[in-house]
Amino acid sequence: EAGVTQSPTHLIKTRGQQATLRCSPISGHTSVYWYQQALGLGLQFLLWYDEGEERNRGNFPPRFSGRQFPNYSSELNVNALELEDSALYLCASSLGDVTEGETQYFGPGTRLLVL
Amino acid sequence: EDQVTQSPEALRLQEGESSSLNCSYTVSGLRGLFWYRQDPGKGPEFLFTLYSAGEEKEKERLKATLTKKESFLHITAPKPEDSATYLCAVQASGGYNKLIFGAGTRLAVHP
Repeated sequence: EAGVTQSPTHLIKTRGQQATLRCSPISGHTSVYWYQQALGLGLQFLLWYDEGEERNRGNFPPRFSGRQFPNYSSELNVNALELEDSALYLCASSLGDVTEGETQYFGPGTRLLVL
Repeated sequence: EDQVTQSPEALRLQEGESSSLNCSYTVSGLRGLFWYRQDPGKGPEFLFTLYSAGEEKEKERLKATLTKKESFLHITAPKPEDSATYLCAVQASGGYNKLIFGAGTRLAVHP
């Protein structure tokens, strides 16, 4: 069974540009999560999408946004890039059951470098 | 505020030298505690999910346990390929699925 996939693996942008990162969840999973892992920092929750809707967002500015498509894949957009946005962006997926703690499975990540 | 603290930050072991990693948490209602392994530059790999105090899970040389305030990841007779960063995360009640991660423990196992 295929795991979570992300593209591209690496992305280099300059300050002020926009970045678009993509994620395909495990087949059958309806929830997609985005996390940021900056160098020296832990994983920080960014966004949660389920059934096409944004369910929750972390403590990040509005220039971090995204969407979920009907096939449950997702896109993370980062506008007006700043140097501190350089990080590993991780996508995770889960079955979408909110009745108990459910496991999130992570993709390999997209390494974003802002120059 | 929900919080996860892992200790030690780094651990160096000789091959075969068993040890434990600690994950202390404060959360307003625990829905689940998760352990992941992360290799440099890669995404976290799922290891275990624990739901309630007293629960234990095992996989090869790893065993995870849970109490009301902390979780332990016991590593028995580790091998060099067990070298990685081990991450602990919690999911709190409230209807939101976000994971709150600790900073991780960097484990190095030397032959």
